Amino acid sequence: GDSVTQMEGPVTLSEEAFLTINCTYTATGYPSLFWYVQYPGEGLQLLLKATKADDKGSNKGFEATYRKETTSFHLEKGSVQVSDSAVYFCALSDKGAQKLVFGQGTRLTINP
Amino acid sequence: DSGVTQTPKHLITATGQRVTLRCSPRSGDLSVYWYQQSLDQGLQFLIQYYNGEERAKGNILERFSAQQFPDLHSELNLSSLELGDSALYFCASSARAGTPAETQYFGPGTRLLVL
Repeated sequence: GDSVTQMEGPVTLSEEAFLTINCTYTATGYPSLFWYVQYPGEGLQLLLKATKADDKGSNKGFEATYRKETTSFHLEKGSVQVSDSAVYFCALSDKGAQKLVFGQGTRLTINP
Repeated sequence: DSGVTQTPKHLITATGQRVTLRCSPRSGDLSVYWYQQSLDQGLQFLIQYYNGEERAKGNILERFSAQQFPDLHSELNLSSLELGDSALYFCASSARAGTPAETQYFGPGTRLLVL
């Protein structure tokens, strides 16, 4: 079945550091790819998405590019802030089923 | 605020009991999804409804059931509760069904604790 694998956390960085959270997927067909963020005590919020190969999703300084050849959708941000501390989930939605399949989540902590 | 509301926010109950979780989708959304978030299983899809009809089923236990009402709100019923059912239950909604690029908007969740 479809699956998503994220880099293991937790990840701790200093403010203004560069962030990469790796995400790879396995799916039949051509899924849509998403990054969701979960702040403490809250539900999931869509951070960005990409619906076809080579698409780049971006929002709030975060970016991710849909790489079909490497089946990856890595999340990057050039300069992180304390307010970016949260749990980040990579997910896919396959063509046949609109359910989201999530990775295990990566907890990110940014220290001032 | 995603526009998806869930009640109650917290629920504490005993093993063997039955509870009902409620979800109101964003205005105009026809599709409702239920997910379970637990420490050992992560975020897992349970079930989807579209305009009142069951559309897709995931790893939902037979003790669990759901429905979507004519006003589009949905309820998730959990019965014969076990300790392992303790989790955060999310509802999400989207405008349509059958469109994988569709964004799902999540509610704040209901935290269930079974003692």
